[in-house]
Amino acid sequence: AQKITQTQPGMFVQEKEAVTLDCTYDTSDQSYGLFWYKQPSSGEMIFLIYQGSYDEQNATEGRYSLNFQKARKSANLVISASQLGDSAMYFCAMRELHTGRRALTFGSGTRLQVQP
Amino acid sequence: AAGVIQSPRHLIKEKRETATLKCYPIPRHDTVYWYQQGPGQDPQFLISFYEKMQSDKGSIPDRFSAQQFSDYHSELNMSSLELGDSALYFCASRETSGSADTQYFGPGTRLTVL
Repeated sequence: AQKITQTQPGMFVQEKEAVTLDCTYDTSDQSYGLFWYKQPSSGEMIFLIYQGSYDEQNATEGRYSLNFQKARKSANLVISASQLGDSAMYFCAMRELHTGRRALTFGSGTRLQVQP
Repeated sequence: AAGVIQSPRHLIKEKRETATLKCYPIPRHDTVYWYQQGPGQDPQFLISFYEKMQSDKGSIPDRFSAQQFSDYHSELNMSSLELGDSALYFCASRETSGSADTQYFGPGTRLTVL
């Protein structure tokens, strides 16, 4: 069964606007971590933000915030004030801490294009 | 800040040849992960090492092997290369004892098999 689902293959957003990238996950583990990575066309995988399953507050890192809804098993990434440099592929990933593989399981990604 | 180093960045091989990819983790990081990302795909976990011992195994072909050395650098050895092995290979490292759970990725090695 797919553990990470990203239902938006592609998204467009106007520069300076906010955008939400969706991510839902499936796990029976009570302890897990959720991550978002950015992959520009150059190929590198850049860590953006992390949310632990026991964290009560939504994680924030600069213009990035993670909208964590545990009951819904969703971990959406919100990018505020989009910039042209935000155009990239965005991957949601999960790491289960007690069951399953301890490596990251990735979603299929969302390609974000920021338009001027 | 120091990052994960991977070498080479690009590699071109013929079918049935061998290749060795190297990874130098961030200092003090004791866990290394290898991932394979095919064209248009998400990264897939291959294998991981903690304190020089294999800690987990994913979808790594039997033709591939890997190890972690005493200085914590890791090498992924690939033999009898096939066209389907063409991909971006990432190494990621993590500090197990740290409070953060984050894996930091290297820039990747782009392998092309002709």
